[in-house]
Amino acid sequence: QKEVEQDPGPLSVPEGAIVSLNCTYSNSAFQYFMWYRQYSRKGPELLMYTYSSGNKEDGRFTAQVDKSSKYISLFIRDSQPSDSATYLCAMSSGNTGKLIFGQGTTLQVKP
Amino acid sequence: NAGVTQTPKFRVLKTGQSMTLLCAQDMNHEYMYWYRQDPGMGLRLIHYSVGEGTTAKGEVPDGYNVSRLKKQNFLLGLESAAPSQTSVYFCASSSGTAKQPQHFGDGTRLSIL
Repeated sequence: QKEVEQDPGPLSVPEGAIVSLNCTYSNSAFQYFMWYRQYSRKGPELLMYTYSSGNKEDGRFTAQVDKSSKYISLFIRDSQPSDSATYLCAMSSGNTGKLIFGQGTTLQVKP
Repeated sequence: NAGVTQTPKFRVLKTGQSMTLLCAQDMNHEYMYWYRQDPGMGLRLIHYSVGEGTTAKGEVPDGYNVSRLKKQNFLLGLESAAPSQTSVYFCASSSGTAKQPQHFGDGTRLSIL
């Protein structure tokens, strides 16, 4: 079993829809949770960062962490075609900054 | 703003050949990382460095070596390439620990025949 599980999709939604992306994990030592967005043939870029449990909002994006359930989510409101990308969750526990990534979910937002 | 630059962008090798991938960052970051990305596997850490002159193994280090002779550069070497090393390789850097975001380059696409 992988330490971090993420449904690879693909996920296709109409423009304006609310998108929910999720990851589950097994290592209770994870404290730092991130979402990266990766466009085709590009490197991942940090989208959201959360420490421990709770919610964080940034514009149309909301990240949630539920450590008791070992479950994290990313919500995208009013999705746009420009949001079409692969979304990777990533987690870390220690001071080396080593990240464990999920497999990534491919999202397509249709106009 | 260059950020993290990876060279080359594409390369095709024959089994048994060797090559070195170069990563350069201009953000004065202490920490640097090499990942590989394969379909359905996400990104997996190969090796990393927490400062000039230091290196450490990640999740999938076998078949690779690294060097960090200068703070701004992190080299990934394949001594004897194998088809299983066909992948997209990403380099990343950060200014510190887990609290600091990692900044990624745009990858090197490597095919080994």
